[in-house]
Amino acid sequence: AQSVTQLDSQVPVFEEAPVELRCNYSSSVSVYLFWYVQYPNQGLQLLLKYLSGSTLVKGINGFEAEFNKSQTSFHLRKPSVHISDTAEYFCAVSAASGSRLTFGEGTQLTVNP
Amino acid sequence: ETGVTQTPRHLVMGMTNKKSLKCEQHLGHNAMYWYKQSAKKPLELMFVYSLEERVENNSVPSRFSPECPNSSHLFLHLHTLQPEDSALYLCASSQTDRGREQFFGPGTRLTVL
Repeated sequence: AQSVTQLDSQVPVFEEAPVELRCNYSSSVSVYLFWYVQYPNQGLQLLLKYLSGSTLVKGINGFEAEFNKSQTSFHLRKPSVHISDTAEYFCAVSAASGSRLTFGEGTQLTVNP
Repeated sequence: ETGVTQTPRHLVMGMTNKKSLKCEQHLGHNAMYWYKQSAKKPLELMFVYSLEERVENNSVPSRFSPECPNSSHLFLHLHTLQPEDSALYLCASSQTDRGREQFFGPGTRLTVL
């Protein structure tokens, strides 16, 4: 079975600062990894995904994530955040051979002016 | 309509009422899911349907009754709910029920009085 840990429940940052949201996973097999964003009172929207190939994955809204197999991590980064990036971010993992998604507990990103 | 739609977006009901939540996906997917999202709690997977067959039921109380009449529609029938059932109910779909990303609807915000 797979599991995922989001290391920070809340991350406050100032506008135009860089941000990193941390995600570590546990699995004995190859994995697929995902980041989702949820704005208030909305569903989850896929930001980016790693299935195979390049370990640096670029997503929507200027976000990117790097798959690090040795550290079992998939941290999400943005070089300069905007107020509109304030939302909850979820990391998710599934086995590449086929399993359901397992979600982390979420990280609330708050961007302050 | 595109993507995954859910109706109603908001619902207030008494503990003795019977209501239904509706989900429709326009993506040609074969798997559909119900999740419960409560404040300060992780996302809870409730039910999974694959090719219209229920393949997972995560110990959900019988006052929640899912129905999947075809691969595009999913319902959640509610009866004699409790105040602790108040939450955001999210519907999702995916190409298959294993391995790949899920696409979420906007959710139904349910309040049980």
